[in-house]
Amino acid sequence: KAGVTQTPRYLIKTRGQQVTLSCSPISGHRSVSWYQQTPGQGLQFLFEYFSETQRNKGNFPGRFSGRQFSNSRSEMNVSTLELGDSALYLCASSLDWGQGNSPLHFGNGTRLTVT
Amino acid sequence: AQSVSQHNHHVILSEAASLELGCNYSYGGTVNLFWYVQYPGQHLQLLLKYFSGDPLVKGIKGFEAEFIKSKFSFNLRKPSVQWSDTAEYFCAVNAGTNQAGTALIFGKGTTLSVSS
Repeated sequence: KAGVTQTPRYLIKTRGQQVTLSCSPISGHRSVSWYQQTPGQGLQFLFEYFSETQRNKGNFPGRFSGRQFSNSRSEMNVSTLELGDSALYLCASSLDWGQGNSPLHFGNGTRLTVT
Repeated sequence: AQSVSQHNHHVILSEAASLELGCNYSYGGTVNLFWYVQYPGQHLQLLLKYFSGDPLVKGIKGFEAEFIKSKFSFNLRKPSVQWSDTAEYFCAVNAGTNQAGTALIFGKGTTLSVSS
C-alpha cells in the first residue's frame, strides 16, 4: 500500500507570494491533517479535514488555509508568505476522525523556504 | 491549553544501555497518548499508542511505555538500545473527546544517539 504522498518535496518562494502544497492520503483513509515543523516551535497542528470539511484548526493566522477533495486528497495554501513561514509542512492521514484513536500516518513533508 | 513536555533534548547512549525518555502532558480529561519516531531521512512513524486499558503498552522494535495517570506521564522505555535506534522521538497527546479528531499536541522531541 502506498504511503502518504506530498508534493512538491521542496519549494523556494519570495516574501509576499502564495504557495499551494498537495497531499494524497493512504488509500481508504478519509481524514487528512497538516502540521508545521520548525526547529524552534517543533510540530504544530494546522488543521484537519474529514469528508471535505475542516473539523479542527490550530492557532495559525488566516493566511493558512486548506481544503479536501471528494477523493480525500488535500491541499493547503499559504498566502502573503512571510520569512517565518519557512518550515517543513507535514501531511498526515488516518482512517477515521472520531475520538482521536485513529493513528496518523505521515508523509515525508514539503520543505518550504521563504526568501 | 494542552501541552506536552519532553524532559531530555538529546540523549547519548552506548549500545545495550537501557533507555527511558520522559514525557509529561497537561490535560485533565481523557487522553490518547502516542510516541512517534523519526529515523534519519525518514518520515514520522508510530512507535506505540495508548487509548485505554492496560497502562503498560508495547510497541514496535521492543519499545514500551507506561501511562501513569496520577503523574500525567507517558514515559518511553527500552531495555537494551541498538545503533539502529538512533532517531528523534516525539511524544504526543490527543484529547479523547468526540470533537478532538486526530489533532495531536507534540512535545519538542528528544534526539537519541546510540554509539556502537
